[in-house]
Amino acid sequence: GQQLNQSPQSMFIQEGEDVSMNCTSSSIFNTWLWYKQDPGEGPVLLIALYKAGELTSNGRLTAQFGITRKDSFLNISASIPSDVGIYFCAGHAGGTSYGKLTFGQGTILTVHP
Amino acid sequence: EAGVTQFPSHSVIEKGQTVTLRCDPISGHDNLYWYRRVMGKEIKFLLHFVKESKQDESGMPNNRFLAERTGGTYSTLKVQPAELEDSGVYFCASSQRPEKLFFGSGTQLSVL
Repeated sequence: GQQLNQSPQSMFIQEGEDVSMNCTSSSIFNTWLWYKQDPGEGPVLLIALYKAGELTSNGRLTAQFGITRKDSFLNISASIPSDVGIYFCAGHAGGTSYGKLTFGQGTILTVHP
Repeated sequence: EAGVTQFPSHSVIEKGQTVTLRCDPISGHDNLYWYRRVMGKEIKFLLHFVKESKQDESGMPNNRFLAERTGGTYSTLKVQPAELEDSGVYFCASSQRPEKLFFGSGTQLSVL
């Protein structure tokens, strides 16, 4: 089946630093999504990307849909303590896959004040 | 507007026992999904309901897992009999659009 390789697995950064994480796939996706999971909660959608090459921002977050449609990255600028959590990329193949998302393994982000 | 609600939040059972997880989707969402995350791994799709019908159950691990959505409202996921490898966090999600899923807080299942 489809697999997403997400890296890095974990990051330990100082407050104020910028963060970058990415996902790559051997398969093409029609939509890329980035979710964040806080402790004890479910994943919450941060950004959805629908077209190859698309660059979208949501506050301090910026994500891009790779031109090949096989990768995506997420940047967080000027990190703050509440950015702590697990970040997941997810791809949606479209068509008959409907709501079937393929997730990456997650990036655990720790921000030191 | 209430989000996706899951119950229980935690369940600890012994191998061989039965557990039933419940999910209440966002009101008006016809699409309901079950996903599972085993410790440290990716979140994996289990199945998808459209109203009360199973649209895709290709991710269900085996026949010990039974999902239902009577009346097209809430859904239950039963594991019978539970095995050690069934431990993990079970997420329910609902949506109107196919890719914009709203997740519940999950049920942490521990099988001892």
